[in-house]
Amino acid sequence: AQTVTQSQPEMSVQEAETVTLSCTYDTSESDYYLFWYKQPPSRQMILVIRQEAYKQQNATENRFSVNFQKAAKSFSLKISDSQLGDAAMYFCAFLFDRGSTLGRLYFGRGTQLTVWP
Amino acid sequence: GAVVSQHPSWVICKSGTSVKIECRSLDFQATTMFWYRQFPKQSLMLMATSNEGSKATYEQGVEKDKFLINHASLTLSTLTVTSAHPEDSSFYICSAREVGGSYEQYFGPGTRLTVT
Repeated sequence: AQTVTQSQPEMSVQEAETVTLSCTYDTSESDYYLFWYKQPPSRQMILVIRQEAYKQQNATENRFSVNFQKAAKSFSLKISDSQLGDAAMYFCAFLFDRGSTLGRLYFGRGTQLTVWP
Repeated sequence: GAVVSQHPSWVICKSGTSVKIECRSLDFQATTMFWYRQFPKQSLMLMATSNEGSKATYEQGVEKDKFLINHASLTLSTLTVTSAHPEDSSFYICSAREVGGSYEQYFGPGTRLTVT
């Protein structure tokens, strides 16, 4: 079974500063996908960034980047130049897209990010 | 592109009644749709996976007779909460995966159910 662990229930950051959210996962598979989703107060799930496990290069999307350490099964999210609009719940998610788990996302418990002006 | 809608966005119903929630893929055909339940400040809990034209697969502990899922077409899945009780009050989210598409899922905006 796949498990995703987010050890930081809450984090805070000053506007314009950088913050890193942690995520670890457990799997015996070698080919999978990892995601960070943002859920603002509206509760709409928004995909922030994705990483294919076969790619060694860390994914980047503007101010968002990941540190993917496959051997350590770690997938942290770095938010640079934090903005007030980044305040939200962030979920780390894992996908092994084969067999009985086709399409099934495994979510962590989430990290509530507060951004201070 | 890749928009998923849910209707209604918020519903209040009386205990003992049934309520239906619709999940639609607006600009793509969805081979698979997923239904999640989320309590305040908690993570998403997968309830069931539905594939068009076949029976839904429910997660362990989810009452299939209480949460009826119908995926009648490639653009519509419905979740019916039967004989609702206050403990069924929650936020229900659906997601959809495109036919022949990538692994990515697209999420609906969610439905807030309050049972009085």
